Amino acid sequence: DIVLTQSPVLAVSLGQRATISCRASQSVSISSINLMHWYQQKPGQQPKLLIYRASNLASGIPARFSGSGSGTDFTLTIDPVQADDIAAYYCQQSRESLTFGSGTKLEIK
Amino acid sequence: EVQLVESGGGLVKPGSSLKLSCVASGFTFSSYGMHWIRQAPKKGLEWIALIYYDSSNKYYADSVKGRFTISRDNSKNTLYLEMNSLRSEDTAMYYCAKDYGSSFDWWGQGVMVTVSS
Repeated sequence: DIVLTQSPVLAVSLGQRATISCRASQSVSISSINLMHWYQQKPGQQPKLLIYRASNLASGIPARFSGSGSGTDFTLTIDPVQADDIAAYYCQQSRESLTFGSGTKLEIK
Repeated sequence: EVQLVESGGGLVKPGSSLKLSCVASGFTFSSYGMHWIRQAPKKGLEWIALIYYDSSNKYYADSVKGRFTISRDNSKNTLYLEMNSLRSEDTAMYYCAKDYGSSFDWWGQGVMVTVSS
């Protein structure tokens, strides 16, 4: 299985930029298609799709969220961070089976 | 508006069985693959099963293969997960989710399954 590694916690100040990383144990890209997706999960709620295929904003998601990366290294950026963004963020790959990272909890500094 | 509503969870003993349901609305259910994903308490997300739009293909995570069965009834807009030989490690919130190019664009609110003696 492809293992996705995320840092457990990221602390940022309101109004600043948050950069959440996800590293895959092997490439999750096929040609120019990057099979990495990002989700937000607030406490007590179901996850919500933010970004699909590394850089495509899901429907209804604010433009403060963006994604980038290819191969094994991917980034979710939130700029600027708002109080409502406090949540856990998960990456997920679909290159080989379907696996999630362990999640990054975004906290306010 | 897309809605996915799970039901059928509860407290069961190890070795027993349970069947979850997920009723879908707000989209053409029969045109989309559907997934089950679970989350153990205070833990991360684990994909466990996928069924194609027409039930032609089904895939499972190794952790549930041979014990869980995914199915669907397109006439009822309903997805199912039959769980047998349940173990304590199956204790989790179970979500159904709509496929979007092997990502998951809509999720239900989840249903809790607790396996304990």
